[in-house]
Amino acid sequence: GAVVSQHPSWVICKSGTSVKIECRSLDFQATTMFWYRQFPKQSLMLMATSNEGSKATYEQGVEKDKFLINHASLTLSTLTVTSAHPEDSSFYICSASPAGSDYNEQFFGPGTRLTVL
Amino acid sequence: GQNIDQPTEMTATEGAIVQINCTYQTSGFNGLFWYQQHAGEAPTFLSYNVLDGLEEKGRFSSFLSRSKGYSYLLLKELQMKDSASYLCAAMDSNYQLIWGAGTKLIIKP
Repeated sequence: GAVVSQHPSWVICKSGTSVKIECRSLDFQATTMFWYRQFPKQSLMLMATSNEGSKATYEQGVEKDKFLINHASLTLSTLTVTSAHPEDSSFYICSASPAGSDYNEQFFGPGTRLTVL
Repeated sequence: GQNIDQPTEMTATEGAIVQINCTYQTSGFNGLFWYQQHAGEAPTFLSYNVLDGLEEKGRFSSFLSRSKGYSYLLLKELQMKDSASYLCAAMDSNYQLIWGAGTKLIIKP
């Protein structure tokens, strides 16, 4: 149980285009989903916390107009990287906390590797 | 401020035991997590401690001392597949995870 999927697994796009990444909790409902970014050989950096039906909470330094997050249902959250640039190339990982979990454990998706040319 | 410290890299021999330490400073505390992350993959959950003491799960054990702001992950009977980064994360009073930079564990035959 507690499986999180992400789509796509990897994407290559041209500079200036927008890319949408989907995060789904497959066998549980997630009131809260998290979006992380990880650069090579660095730790996870939390970008935003997304609660179903409300606006996402962005971490300091993360542009909310550039990284659009939608959490439309208890099993789906999307991250759209708008007007992507080469510096946005990174490994994007989502995680989800099951509703009512004892200790708010986060289950991670497999990640999406974004390369912006 | 909030901070997590763990060694950057450790090396151990196949079949041996290794202990990865983590110290934390957070605003409030709601538990300490350990995750394993293989290169190019997402993290996978290993353990959670919120009370002082040792939690054992097969070859992996995790220890917590709340008064010292200290935890360690103990890996026994090391296997080559244990080569990975091990991430320590403390949950603060807002239930937000504060992540360490990770410890890269290299296992040698």
